Amino acid sequence: ETGVTQTPRHLVMGMTNKKSLKCEQHLGHNAMYWYKQSAKKPLELMFVYNFKEQTENNSVPSRFSPECPNSSHLFLHLHTLQPEDSALYLCASSQDPGSGGAGTQYFGPGTRLTVL
Amino acid sequence: AQSVTQLDSQVPVFEEAPVELRCNYSSSVSVYLFWYVQYPNQGLQLLLKYLSGSTLVKGINGFEAEFNKSQTSFHLRKPSVHISDTAEYFCAVSDRGNQFYFGTGTSLTVIP
Repeated sequence: ETGVTQTPRHLVMGMTNKKSLKCEQHLGHNAMYWYKQSAKKPLELMFVYNFKEQTENNSVPSRFSPECPNSSHLFLHLHTLQPEDSALYLCASSQDPGSGGAGTQYFGPGTRLTVL
Repeated sequence: AQSVTQLDSQVPVFEEAPVELRCNYSSSVSVYLFWYVQYPNQGLQLLLKYLSGSTLVKGINGFEAEFNKSQTSFHLRKPSVHISDTAEYFCAVSDRGNQFYFGTGTSLTVIP
């Protein structure tokens, strides 16, 4: 399998549930990202990991908890979400610019999350 | 900080007609510029990018874009669109680090 994969593709959860989103990249990149895409809004960068270390956390509520066990895998753990958290969650990866890459991001297909 | 403005939220165009999707950015530093396309229920796919060199960049599916530093623009063009080009198009700016800034997107609808 190539590129960036995300599972599940669709998720419906209640506000008291705990779930996790998974992202895997097969491109040999060392930077991974979580974005939130809501209708009629720019993509919102949530988290950035470089070489498994978190380098950005753009004021994301603590009900979203990222985990990056290695450079190929990225998780987003969800708990006690709100209905306004319903959105498309996109994962991306890139070669870290500091290591000679141009930073072009490659995206997965996304997880469509609905919070009831 | 950078920002990206896509001036048109929706662009309808007839099949085989030319199209231009506009993108302006603001930045005080040198940047990389990108156009991505998103088909329904899919992630973003890279169309083309400007890193350096020639200001006219050619991408996939017959699209091209021109970097204009004085006007801080990076407009996307295609001389003849097809039905399959119907999608959402996003312009993005990178500060050459890990930060990407996206526009709000332009919905291109190709009319048969």
